This record gives sequence, structure tokens and C-alpha cells, in this order.
Amino acid sequence: GIQVEQSPPDLILQEGANSTLRCNFSDSVNNLQWFHQNPWGQLINLFYIPSGTKQNGRLSATTVATERYSLLYISSSQTTDSGVYFCAVELRSNDYKLSFGAGTTVTVRA
Amino acid sequence: NAGVTQTPKFRILKIGQSMTLQCTQDMNHNYMYWYRQDPGMGLKLIYYSVGAGITDKGEVPNGYNVSRSTTEDFPLRLELAAPSQTSVYFCASNRADYGYTFGSGTRLTVV
Repeated sequence: GIQVEQSPPDLILQEGANSTLRCNFSDSVNNLQWFHQNPWGQLINLFYIPSGTKQNGRLSATTVATERYSLLYISSSQTTDSGVYFCAVELRSNDYKLSFGAGTTVTVRA
Repeated sequence: NAGVTQTPKFRILKIGQSMTLQCTQDMNHNYMYWYRQDPGMGLKLIYYSVGAGITDKGEVPNGYNVSRSTTEDFPLRLELAAPSQTSVYFCASNRADYGYTFGSGTRLTVV
């Protein structure tokens, strides 16, 4: 079946630290997105990144589609970065449907 | 541009009651989706639609129904609510090469 695996499941950071979140997926992709779910439950779209590298401020992401993984980098973390980060994938074998990983819970301490 | 709008934001239902969760998008996206998120879990797909008049089941469709009479609206109907349907429900729409946009969610409790 469809597999989207995220690691680590939990991450505790001191403010100012850098971190890397990983997403492995089981098949070729049409679409890969990273979302941040804030403590109020809102899902914020961070990156649409089926391949390549993108940067947005302190966040960047890289997807190596041929090796079936994606990485989300958080630099100089802030307390507002706390929340759950989801990787979601639309596999070519499962068109039109976005499958979510279990998420990485990030806690940034002041 | 409002994006994806869901109503209501919160609702408490008694076992056996029915309700409709509303979802509308103003981006003219053909693809729309309903997901549910149980505590501490990722999102699971309930139903999706690739255009007006076309719907299909996702991973967890039992206990739900949908319709898509217009491009903008994609309501989710719960018949005979059960405690297992206590969850947060998210509606989303999708445009190729841009990705999914999610609504702010509906928190439903069945007691």
C-alpha cells in the first residue's frame, strides 16, 4: 500500500537551533507538499515540492524524487515554529489523492 | 480571495443525529477533498471529487456521503452520527502545479 514515513516522530529544539525533518515515500510522485499544523489546528502549506529545492525565509526543502525522499530544513528555529509538520504525497499510482505521513511534532523552547 | 471556507467551525452532535459540513472554494479548482484527523494522527481521506457531478470514495468513507453539484461547493453529510466520527474534518481543493489548499477545519464531537 501507500507508504509515507516521517522521521523523527518528535523533536525538541532550543531556540536558535537548526533541524532536518525527513520524509520517505514508496513510489513515484505527482505532488509532494510540506505542511505546518500550528497549535490552533490550522494546516499551513509550506512548500509544493515534487522535485528540486525551494527556500522560504528560514525554511527550505529538498525532494530527491529518484531516491524517494524529501527533507525539510528549519534554520534558527523560533518558538513560533512549534507544531506538527506533515509530509503529504500524491503518488502516481494513486492519482488525485494526497496521502499524509504521521507527522513530526516539533517543540521549540525559549 | 477567501480560498477554502468551511462551516461550522465547531459542532456537538448526539448519537444518531445527522448534519452537513459545508465547504466552498473560490479558486475554481476542479479537485476537492474531505479529510478527517483523529487526535495525534495524520489526515485520512474520506471522499474526493474531480469535478462537478463526479465523486469517489477515499480510505474511510463509511458513515459519510458527499455531493458535488457545482465547482465551488462540496458538502459532507453525516448520517446517524456515531462516537467514532468525533474528529476534526478538513476540506481541501487542488490545482495541478500549485498543490492543495486546506480549509480551517470543523471540530465535531459526537456524544
